[in-house]
Amino acid sequence: GESVGLHLPTLSVQEGDNSIINCAYSNSASDYFIWYKQESGKGPQFIIDIRSNMDKRQGQRVTVLLNKTVKHLSLQIAATQPGDSAVYFCAEKGTSYDKVIFGPGTSLSVIP
Amino acid sequence: GAVVSQHPSRVICKSGTSVKIECRSLDFQATTMFWYRQFPKQSLMLMATSNEGSKATYEQGVEKDKFLINHASLTLSTLTVTSAHPEDSSFYICSARDQSGDKWTDTQYFGPGTRLTVL
Repeated sequence: GESVGLHLPTLSVQEGDNSIINCAYSNSASDYFIWYKQESGKGPQFIIDIRSNMDKRQGQRVTVLLNKTVKHLSLQIAATQPGDSAVYFCAEKGTSYDKVIFGPGTSLSVIP
Repeated sequence: GAVVSQHPSRVICKSGTSVKIECRSLDFQATTMFWYRQFPKQSLMLMATSNEGSKATYEQGVEKDKFLINHASLTLSTLTVTSAHPEDSSFYICSARDQSGDKWTDTQYFGPGTRLTVL
């Protein structure tokens, strides 16, 4: 397999604060990146994506930043809510219809 | 949005038996589906790419004779875990690719997962 994490890092934030989840990707040829949210016992849920020719993209309460120079991706969640508690995965894809490879994931815990 | 279903959601079986997991795209056709395995507190690991009408492509280290994949129609792929053992216990997740758009709208939709427990 590829990109398998061993232990999920954990991020704890106070409700209402902003969250920043970071991800380092491995393949410099990847040209499409996705953030997924996975709640316990469920499949991944698409949050936001970004193409390699962009460095920032905003959605509803979420922003993804891409730094190709250092192969770094981040997800910013504004005004974090208890419902945001989940595991967040970044994923990368190499070419147009290539397979999606997941990063190790970060567990976000929101403190009420 | 597009919906992908999996059946069963949970299965418990005895060691040595075979288990079949179904993955269906409910409102779109998927020539390509993917099977992932996820162990507790770990990431999703891609096992294989399932192509409609042709043989699956397995990732390195995944035994094709143990994890049989069949993609007989544009809306159904099945994963059969043969001669299951306790170490095969895991969360199996499928995804289906909707290729109706262009490169940048190509999106994978994930199923809810199947929890396999082998006793």
